[in-house]
Amino acid sequence: DTAVSQTPKYLVTQMGNDKSIKCEQNLGHDTMYWYKQDSKKFLKIMFSYNNKELIINETVPNRFSPKSPDKAHLNLHINSLELGDSAVYFCASSQDVGEAFFGQGTRLTVV
Amino acid sequence: AQSVAQPEDQVNVAEGNPLTVKCTYSVSGNPYLFWYVQYPNRGLQFLLKYITGDNLVKGSYGFEAEFNKSQTSFHLKKPSALVSDSALYFCAVRDGSTGTASKLTFGTGTRLQVTL
Repeated sequence: DTAVSQTPKYLVTQMGNDKSIKCEQNLGHDTMYWYKQDSKKFLKIMFSYNNKELIINETVPNRFSPKSPDKAHLNLHINSLELGDSAVYFCASSQDVGEAFFGQGTRLTVV
Repeated sequence: AQSVAQPEDQVNVAEGNPLTVKCTYSVSGNPYLFWYVQYPNRGLQFLLKYITGDNLVKGSYGFEAEFNKSQTSFHLKKPSALVSDSALYFCAVRDGSTGTASKLTFGTGTRLQVTL
């Protein structure tokens, strides 16, 4: 059983399109995250949710909108995609302030 | 603001030799420290953590790390490197004082290359 799963694994789309990435965790964790890893492998937190409530919003453009329908799911919707949005997006979860467990990533390519 | 520094972009070591990957951190409250490994085209895998207690922590695959409060360091070590240890290693820190609002901040990563 995959602990943190995200779909799709690869996403290629044109500039200006809207796309969503889904994430689910079966670990029973209270906190979920979205991270962005750029081409230099730098990892930056985008959002954090605790029990469906937004806790951290790290000055991400408002074209990015996370949604947490329940504490096991955290989806990421991106409007009006730009070339600079190309990156690998990782979903993760943790129990309180423990270690985070990461999904396999979604490689987004905007053309 | 909290931060993590990994001063080496790459560490090269011969198989069988000991390895060290360096990490220093800055956080205003209690440091909770973590090491992760990333293999190509994969997600991050948790290796070990320091929350409290013994300064030497042991983790997966024979890795260990030593917490040094005075030097604000948390270096990753392994007594005998394997070629299969070659990967990208990330150090991360949380401020344990801020509860669920704490961010997990990552360093820039260190590529470990182990050769025969």
